[in-house]
Amino acid sequence: EAGVAQSPRYKIIEKRQSVAFWCNPISGHATLYWYQQILGQGPKLLIQFQNNGVVDDSQLPKDRFSAERLKGVDSTLKIQPAKLEDSAVYLCASKRGPMNTEAFFGQGTRLTVV
Amino acid sequence: TQLLEQSPQFLSIQEGENLTVYCNSSSVFSSLQWYRQEPGEGPVLLVTVVTGGEVKKLKRLTFQFGDARKDSSLHITAAQPGDTGLYLCAGNSGGSNYKLTFGKGTLLTVNP
Repeated sequence: EAGVAQSPRYKIIEKRQSVAFWCNPISGHATLYWYQQILGQGPKLLIQFQNNGVVDDSQLPKDRFSAERLKGVDSTLKIQPAKLEDSAVYLCASKRGPMNTEAFFGQGTRLTVV
Repeated sequence: TQLLEQSPQFLSIQEGENLTVYCNSSSVFSSLQWYRQEPGEGPVLLVTVVTGGEVKKLKRLTFQFGDARKDSSLHITAAQPGDTGLYLCAGNSGGSNYKLTFGKGTLLTVNP
């Protein structure tokens, strides 16, 4: 079974530029998460999807961050415009359904904003 | 917001030593998970504990869920260099959303 795929692995941008990250979850997984992990901290949930609907986006900075999962499979996370404090690893995770306990994580995208 | 405090934040030990890391909260969780994360990788699930007082063993790792389901511990016996990594606990708030909240982690280094 293929794991959660994320791209790109690394991205360096200047502040005020835009950036997008892509995630392909495990086939058949209805629940998808985006997490932000700042160096030295644990992952912080940004948004949770169930199929193509948003379940929780309470910690997503909506003035600059957006995410979509139009067909209930792949998802993209966008930052526009980026700030220095957005430098972090962005992790995508998926699981079969809301009541399943095990979430599988991708390798993440390391974003550096200069 | 449910917070999970992990301690210690950093731990450096010699191969063969035993260690315990802790995960504490003032909130009750329906379940709690432990993950290990290696540099450049995403977290990988080690165990899920659900019942208060539950103890689970995974080879040299022993996980315990507190009776009140607010805290947990991870004990490693005879640590090996391959155990090096960031150990994260994550609490599940339950309900239909099944929101997973992570602690900041314990960075473990096992020196040969």
